[in-house]
Amino acid sequence: DTAVSQTPKYLVTQMGNDKSIKCEQNLGHDTMYWYKQDSKKFLKIMFSYNNKELIINETVPNRFSPKSPDKAHLNLHINSLELGDSAVYFCASSQVENTIYFGEGSWLTVV
Amino acid sequence: GQQVMQIPQYQHVQEGEDFTTYCNSSTTLSNIQWYKQRPGGHPVFLIQLVKSGEVKKQKRLTFQFGEAKKNSSLHITATQTTDVGTYFCAGPGSGGSNYKLTFGKGTLLTVNP
Repeated sequence: DTAVSQTPKYLVTQMGNDKSIKCEQNLGHDTMYWYKQDSKKFLKIMFSYNNKELIINETVPNRFSPKSPDKAHLNLHINSLELGDSAVYFCASSQVENTIYFGEGSWLTVV
Repeated sequence: GQQVMQIPQYQHVQEGEDFTTYCNSSTTLSNIQWYKQRPGGHPVFLIQLVKSGEVKKQKRLTFQFGEAKKNSSLHITATQTTDVGTYFCAGPGSGGSNYKLTFGKGTLLTVNP
């Protein structure tokens, strides 16, 4: 019954690799997000999609490419991973003006 | 761009003591939301405040929204070990868009039993 589910939960990979994180929400929300939380716990929005359309792109490097095949899914693909990409990536969803529901997070470690 | 500042960054209390975290925005907010993140967990919505001067309570938690809608506070009375976690305030982005919720840096609360 998980509202926002993302996989994988843990990911350890080498620099230069390409990886994807998948996200699905079953809340019927129109808006989905990717947030990045660094080691200092700072939560920063990366992307926001509404009904499959990109609304917000917060100056994220081109190596990060979100894809929303439908409004229930928002995947994140990362090319040429760098050490600084190590963080927790949270997928989230909401109806605009309402509560944001976060997934459980994907812990990415780049070595 | 709009910034949401939150203080203190850390707070350690003895169980039973009170705790308050403060949130200030550089611009007027249409609403403010509060989230709690337990260690190793994900942020979970606590409450949304919309009206100027609004005060809402959830058991031992009291949330306030300032008259000018630029600041907010969360007060916990008689903390318990279950209150441990990071508390975030968050406000809509420029233009009042909730497509871009800006989070404060959070206040990490630890409670000594």
